[in-house]
Amino acid sequence: DVKVTQSSRYLVKRTGEKVFLECVQDMDHENMFWYRQDPGLGLRLIYFSYDVKMKEKGDIPEGYSVSREKKERFSLILESASTNQTSMYLCASQSYQPQHFGDGTRLSIL
Amino acid sequence: DQQVKQNSPSLSVQEGRISILNCDYTNSMFDYFLWYKKYPAEGPTFLISISSIKDKNEDGRFTVFLNKSAKHLSLHIVPSQPGDSAVYFCAASAIYSGAGSYQLTFGKGTKLSVIP
Repeated sequence: DVKVTQSSRYLVKRTGEKVFLECVQDMDHENMFWYRQDPGLGLRLIYFSYDVKMKEKGDIPEGYSVSREKKERFSLILESASTNQTSMYLCASQSYQPQHFGDGTRLSIL
Repeated sequence: DQQVKQNSPSLSVQEGRISILNCDYTNSMFDYFLWYKKYPAEGPTFLISISSIKDKNEDGRFTVFLNKSAKHLSLHIVPSQPGDSAVYFCAASAIYSGAGSYQLTFGKGTKLSVIP
């Protein structure tokens, strides 16, 4: 079975902090994704990566950056956290469909 | 511009009856469709998919129907069970979406409640 592991289930940070969310997959997948899920808005794509050191913007990249130094690891970075970035963050990986998701990180920015 | 629409935010069904969840899309380039199920505080799990070359795909209690001319798909759950209570997301993909990424576009979800 594919395993996508997100480093934290719950995280509380303060406005202005730099926040790192980590995601690791164990299936040698080429593609990795970061989404945020908000009530009534579904899943929205922030960034994705199709190879090491490669990244593409999704639908809502503002305020975020990403890093993929190794194939199995994809990091989401909130450069200066703001309260409107309080959300559930979901990481996914795939070679072909379907995408496989981690359990998510519930991030609260105070 | 919402390319994948789930117009019913919620649905309640009696245990043992059929649940029908609907999804509409606008992008004619979409050719692969998926349904995901999500419990609170967990990530979405893949449920069933269908390619545009088919109009039906079945897996146990779950059947997905695709009507390309209407740009509509539906998920049928028969019989519904209390454990099916979750949020269901419809998602669509266009294979040639650039960067070889097989991106998915998600609907906003439908919360299904199966009443015992």
